[in-house]
Amino acid sequence: AQSVSQHNHHVILSEAASLELGCNYSYGGTVNLFWYVQYPGQHLQLLLKYFSGDPLVKGIKGFEAEFIKSKFSFNLRKPSVQWSDTAEYFCAVNARTGRRALTFGSGTRLQVQP
Amino acid sequence: EPEVTQTPSHQVTQMGQEVILRCVPISNHLYFYWYRQILGQKVEFLVSFYNNEISEKSEIFDDQFSVERPDGSNFTLKIRSTKLEDSAMYFCASSERGGETGTEAFFGQGTRLTVV
Repeated sequence: AQSVSQHNHHVILSEAASLELGCNYSYGGTVNLFWYVQYPGQHLQLLLKYFSGDPLVKGIKGFEAEFIKSKFSFNLRKPSVQWSDTAEYFCAVNARTGRRALTFGSGTRLQVQP
Repeated sequence: EPEVTQTPSHQVTQMGQEVILRCVPISNHLYFYWYRQILGQKVEFLVSFYNNEISEKSEIFDDQFSVERPDGSNFTLKIRSTKLEDSAMYFCASSERGGETGTEAFFGQGTRLTVV
């Protein structure tokens, strides 16, 4: 069975600080990897995705993530956060074959202070 | 930009009542999903639907739940006899393709179901 772990439940940063949110997954086969963001009162929106190719993927709003296969990790990064990045961030995976449904991590609440 | 729409945004129901949550997926998408998020917990998969039948379901999706695509555009989740523990945010999602070729799911804004 797939599982996703997000190590940080609540992160508080000041504006312009750098961000790294950890995500590790457990699955024996090939996976697709995603980061979704949920702004207060809004729906889940895709930040970025990894299917194959360059393990460093760039998403919207200056976010990027690096897939490290040997560590089963897909950490999210942003060099300089803004107050508008305050949101909940979810890492998710699905299997490339077989089970298509997403398995989500428990989420990380990011609070950026002005 | 095409989007997944869900109605209602908030539904309050009495325990034991039936509820139907409605979703209009993105028009050219072929895979449809329901997920739920109990307050303070992670987003959990309920069911996926493809080619007019359930393709996957989780252990949460028991006989109290059913899904239907009644008219080619709507995708509904029915909870037959609601329990207090069904209170959650229910998200509908759709994707163009399944996991083999890799495509992301687009989520609706959710329906907050409160069972009293």
